[in-house]
Amino acid sequence: GENVEQHPSTLSVQEGDSAVIKCTYSDSASNYFPWYKQELGKGPQLIIDIRSNVGEKKDQRIAVTLNKTAKHFSLHITETQPEDSAVYFCAAIHGSGNTGKLIFGQGTTLQVKP
Amino acid sequence: KAGVTQTPRYLIKTRGQQVTLSCSPISGHRSVSWYQQTPGQGLQFLFEYFSETQRNKGNFPGRFSGRQFSNSRSEMNVSTLELGDSALYLCASSPRVSSNYNEQFFGPGTRLTVL
Repeated sequence: GENVEQHPSTLSVQEGDSAVIKCTYSDSASNYFPWYKQELGKGPQLIIDIRSNVGEKKDQRIAVTLNKTAKHFSLHITETQPEDSAVYFCAAIHGSGNTGKLIFGQGTTLQVKP
Repeated sequence: KAGVTQTPRYLIKTRGQQVTLSCSPISGHRSVSWYQQTPGQGLQFLFEYFSETQRNKGNFPGRFSGRQFSNSRSEMNVSTLELGDSALYLCASSPRVSSNYNEQFFGPGTRLTVL
């Protein structure tokens, strides 16, 4: 069935270091992969997304890479700051996107130590 | 533009009761999806509404239902509440102009506690 696996479940880095979170998905028809950041007491916030016709996308300190053959996608955060501390979720759209169903990974708790 | 709003933010109910949660999407967005978030199961899709029609449904029992109004506002209802229904219920709004427009923007959620 449809599934998204996310690793690691927790990640602790020093301020200024890079952080990498990896996800794999099972539905080969998926063509849209968003990443969300969720802070305590808030809803998930869309921080970056990538579509299957693109291999990499950057937005300032955040980048996402996609390997469709291997069904892997990753989030890279460079020059981490304490305010990057949050739970990060990867997701894949169900099928080719005709519905609004996102399949989420289990989340990664990122702690950035000052 | 104002973001997605959800009401109420917090709710306490007892087993057997029913509850209705409300979501107002971003202005101009026609799609509303609902998700349940729990520590054990993570974020799970409940259903999506587009132009007042349910487009897809997740693997939840029939006690979970929803609807969408002509102004795109949506409500979800849970009947005969069980302890396991305690969760954060999130609503996500999407423009859904075509299948290429899949960005979903979440509201703050409604925290439901069932006693």
